[in-house]
Amino acid sequence: DIQMTQSPSSLSASVGDRVTITCRAGQTVAGYLNWYQQKPGKAPKLLIYGASSLQSGVPARFSGSGSGTDFTLTVSSLQPEDFATYYCQQSYRTPYTFGQGTKLEL
Amino acid sequence: QVQLQESGPGLVKPSETLSLTCTVSGGSISSSGSFWSWIRQHPGKDLEWIGNIYYTGGTDYKPSFRSRVTMSLITSLNQVSLRLTSVTAADTAVYYCAKIERIGANNWFEPWGQGALVTVSS
Repeated sequence: DIQMTQSPSSLSASVGDRVTITCRAGQTVAGYLNWYQQKPGKAPKLLIYGASSLQSGVPARFSGSGSGTDFTLTVSSLQPEDFATYYCQQSYRTPYTFGQGTKLEL
Repeated sequence: QVQLQESGPGLVKPSETLSLTCTVSGGSISSSGSFWSWIRQHPGKDLEWIGNIYYTGGTDYKPSFRSRVTMSLITSLNQVSLRLTSVTAADTAVYYCAKIERIGANNWFEPWGQGALVTVSS
């Protein structure tokens, strides 16, 4: 299985901050990397697919970059609704695997 | 717009079979190119992919589940089903169904159902 490691595991920030979350794959996943946001009691919601493509309806303050083994998710200016847990996920090969999550806290 | 909703028993006894269905609205589960997944999340923990089922009925399971899992399409009801046999407390989790969207070889989970909590306990 391809191991996905996110850092940090948790992050304290304030409204208006710029934050970056990192995801590292145990082997190359090319550009097949997706990012999801999950709020308590809710299903994950797709933010970014293919490492850098913004899902329709997702605010432009979210952006993704990277390829191979190293990827980042950036939120340019945090809004109150952005405090949630974020997961990366590789779709390079099955079994698909997720990172352990990064909890973004106020 | 495709929507998914999981349903099934919320409590299953150890050694018995967990059965869930995912009702799909806004699209046909058997339309060409449709792929569907089951994913679970232990309380407060990581997301774990269980497997895929394709519009052809073909499947791709995570090896650690392969001996216990069956996914199928119930086309008459536009449902995707999940059966997991010989459950233990370690199978207690929220189970999600999701549609796989694809562009070329790239794919991702969108949308997701709201999730169904299944507790394994006697």
